[in-house]
Amino acid sequence: EPEVTQTPSHQVTQMGQEVILRCVPISNHLYFYWYRQILGQKVEFLVSFYNNEISEKSEIFDDQFSVERPDGSNFTLKIRSTKLEDSAMYFCARARSANYGYTFGSGTRLTVV
Amino acid sequence: QKEVEQNSGPLSVPEGAIASLNCTYSDRVSQSFFWYRQYSGKSPELIMSIYSNGDKEDGRFTAQLNKASQYVSLLIRDSQPSDSATYLCAPYTGTASKLTFGTGTRLQVTL
Repeated sequence: EPEVTQTPSHQVTQMGQEVILRCVPISNHLYFYWYRQILGQKVEFLVSFYNNEISEKSEIFDDQFSVERPDGSNFTLKIRSTKLEDSAMYFCARARSANYGYTFGSGTRLTVV
Repeated sequence: QKEVEQNSGPLSVPEGAIASLNCTYSDRVSQSFFWYRQYSGKSPELIMSIYSNGDKEDGRFTAQLNKASQYVSLLIRDSQPSDSATYLCAPYTGTASKLTFGTGTRLQVTL
């Protein structure tokens, strides 16, 4: 299947700035996810999005985070006021159906300085 | 107790040998299990899935599942240097639910 495209591949931002990470999944997929991976640590779940609504979110996904699918195709993760500890790889994932496993995008490396 | 436990390694095996990667999980309602491979700096890539007790083979990979023991493993036969990566185990508990990853086991295949 075609890859999930994420943009940008790398973003450097100053602490306190807002960033928007984008994911372009396959349009007929219903399940979308955001994960992050801090350097040297495990892949952590942030939020799942099903039928254009958040279906589950982790304790990491606090008020500074939001997700949208503004135009029915792109899927965005917004971090309102970035902190140094937000520096990580952010992965978008999608699933066509529950038991097919999830396909991850190529990731966005976010560096907060 | 951690939800998913894996030996972080590194597990070092010579080229051509069998690599055995293990994973235990705590959630008894887990229905399926996925093995992902992650090269350094890259995204996880799905390599195997298993839903039933027993073995499932796909090329050089064999996944083994024992739900009673809450244990899943991945065997890689004829290991190649290109298999050097971190292998992530992820139980799956139901429709649209998140995947919870272990820390992963780093595999090094030596020449």
